[in-house]
Amino acid sequence: EVQLVEAGGGLVQPGGSLRLSCAASGFTVSTNYMSWVRQAPGKGLEWVSFIYNDYSGGSTYHADSVRGRFTISRDNSKNTLYLEMDSLRTEDTATYYCARVSRGGTYYFDYWGQGTLVTVSS
Amino acid sequence: SYVLTQPPSVSVAPGQTARITCGGNNIGGKSVHWYQQKPGQAPVLVVCDDWERPSGIPERFSGSNSGNTATLTISRVEAGDEADYYCHVWDSGSDHRCVFGGGTKLTVL
Repeated sequence: EVQLVEAGGGLVQPGGSLRLSCAASGFTVSTNYMSWVRQAPGKGLEWVSFIYNDYSGGSTYHADSVRGRFTISRDNSKNTLYLEMDSLRTEDTATYYCARVSRGGTYYFDYWGQGTLVTVSS
Repeated sequence: SYVLTQPPSVSVAPGQTARITCGGNNIGGKSVHWYQQKPGQAPVLVVCDDWERPSGIPERFSGSNSGNTATLTISRVEAGDEADYYCHVWDSGSDHRCVFGGGTKLTVL
């Protein structure tokens, strides 16, 4: 059974840093495309970051709103995805979901974690 | 950047058919995916690649896509279908533009 379990959320001051993790089971992170999606309180979904699998080179991509501040990565030995968040802003407050990306002809999110809440506030 | 437009809300009586639209410039030339999100829960994929249903999704859920509008259709609506629904397209070109619609709240009367 595919499972994704996020951790690492919490309260952080503006300008601070946080690292989110997403432990995967039931499949191998290194052979899959993975992504982070966030949802501000009461708002819609917003894509944050994407990482290719090892076979495709492991390239990473980030939304304009977080580029240069957030970094997606993975630890294959732990089968875990990460999101390193620096220079956090109040507008980064959201529930952050990790999601597996389908490897079919098109890209979509076929499995999601339960999410972890990040609150940026002084 | 590419914009997807959804109505904020749709209401339907139980047993009737709900249609949720997703507008975008020439969206018919793209693959559209739909997610259902119930309060306090993570999104769940209900339709992918315009009309395909993932395993475990009832046949009552279907999709179509043509011109400038994609549509999620839910037949014989049940109380348990009340949720937010999001459309999604992904441009896997040079910089991976992943776009969601603003979401539609489906209310079962």
